Amino acid sequence: DTAVSQTPKYLVTQMGNDKSIKCEQNLGHDTMYWYKQDSKKFLKIMFSYNNKELIINETVPNRFSPKSPDKAHLNLHINSLELGDSAVYFCASSTWDRGHTEAFFGQGTRLTVV
Amino acid sequence: AQSVTQLGSHVSVSEGALVLLRCNYSSSVPPYLFWYVQYPNQGLQLLLKYTSAATLVKGINGFEAEFKKSETSFHLTKPSAHMSDAAEYFCAVSESTGNQFYFGTGTSLTVIP
Repeated sequence: DTAVSQTPKYLVTQMGNDKSIKCEQNLGHDTMYWYKQDSKKFLKIMFSYNNKELIINETVPNRFSPKSPDKAHLNLHINSLELGDSAVYFCASSTWDRGHTEAFFGQGTRLTVV
Repeated sequence: AQSVTQLGSHVSVSEGALVLLRCNYSSSVPPYLFWYVQYPNQGLQLLLKYTSAATLVKGINGFEAEFKKSETSFHLTKPSAHMSDAAEYFCAVSESTGNQFYFGTGTSLTVIP
């Protein structure tokens, strides 16, 4: 069983479109994240949810909107896609322990905006 | 906010040679430190973690790291590099609440046959 799964794995779309990436974890974790990895491999936190509540919202355009229907899911919706949104997006999860737990990552979604 | 610095964005070693990847952190409180590996077109996989127990931490695939508070370092080592070790390596630090992970900029390891 995959611990953190994202769909789709690849996404090619035109500028201006709206798209969603789905993430599910079966680890029973209560915290989920979205990270963006750019072409230089730099990992930037975008959002963090704990028990379905937004706790971290880094400086990202408001075209990006996360949605957490329950603790096991954290989806990312992107409106009006731009060329600069092309990147690999990773979902991750962890438990809200006092830093002792690691983050478990999905396989990533490679988004290409043309 | 906490942060990590990885010295050397690219490291090349010969097969069988020592691997040393450097990571320094900044933290005003005891940190929790992690090393992750990313193989091409894959997600991040945990190699090892430091959680204030033993300062020498052993991980998977023969890797280990030593927490040195006086040097604010958490360098990753492996005595003998294997071709399969070629990948991107990330050092990360967690806040005490555990709900945020700060990643370094990554080090790309090349293993030369």
